[in-house]
Amino acid sequence: NAGVTQTPKFRILKIGQSMTLQCTQDMNHNYMYWYRQDPGMGLKLIYYSVGAGITDKGEVPNGYNVSRSTTEDFPLRLELAAPSQTSVYFCASSYLGTYGYTFGSGTRLTVV
Amino acid sequence: KQEVTQIPAALSVPEGENLVLNCSFTDSAIYNLQWFRQDPGKGLTSLLLIQSSQREQTSGRLNASLDKSSGRSTLYIAASQPGDSATYLCAVKGNSGNTPLVFGKGTRLSVIA
Repeated sequence: NAGVTQTPKFRILKIGQSMTLQCTQDMNHNYMYWYRQDPGMGLKLIYYSVGAGITDKGEVPNGYNVSRSTTEDFPLRLELAAPSQTSVYFCASSYLGTYGYTFGSGTRLTVV
Repeated sequence: KQEVTQIPAALSVPEGENLVLNCSFTDSAIYNLQWFRQDPGKGLTSLLLIQSSQREQTSGRLNASLDKSSGRSTLYIAASQPGDSATYLCAVKGNSGNTPLVFGKGTRLSVIA
C-alpha cells in the first residue's frame, strides 16, 4: 500500500516557468489537500478537495491552480513561478476529512 | 480564525528524560487534534489522533492529552531517546463543514546521548 505519492521530490525552476506537482493516493480517500511549508512558519493550506470535481481555496492560493478529475489524483499547478514560491510542498489525504491525515514525502521546490 | 501555538519552539534534553510538549488553540470548537512527527527533510508521520470527546491517547512511550475547554493539548514522551529527535507538530480540525487541519509551527526536539 503506497499511501500518498508525490513527484518530483526536488525541482529547480526559473522565474516565470510553470510546472505541475503530482500527487496520487491509493487509499480511496475522498479528501485531499495541498500545503506548503516554509522554514519556521508551519504548514499553510493552499487548496483542498472534498471529492472528484470539487476544489476550494485555502489560506494561500494565489499563484496556484488545482484540478481533481479522479479520486486518486490531485495535481497542483504553478503558473509563472516566483521566488516567493520557493518552499516544500506537501500533499495529504483523509477519509471524509474527519479521520487522520496521511501525508506524502514532499516536493522541495526552488525558484531562481 | 483558528490559531495553533506550540511552546517551546525548540527543546534540548539529555537521553532518558521525560518531557512534555505543549500545544494551544484559540477556538475550542474542534473535531479532533492530531500530533505529527517530522524528521529533517522528510514528510509528516502521524503519531496520535485525539477525538474531541476523548481526554487522551497513548502509543508506546507517547501520551497525548486534550483539554478542549481550555484549548490545550500536551504530548508526553517518556524515557526520551536520541531517535526521538525531530520536529513535533500539533494540528487541529474544526467542527464546521470541511474545515481542514490548522497547524502549529512545531517544536524542534533534540535528545542528547
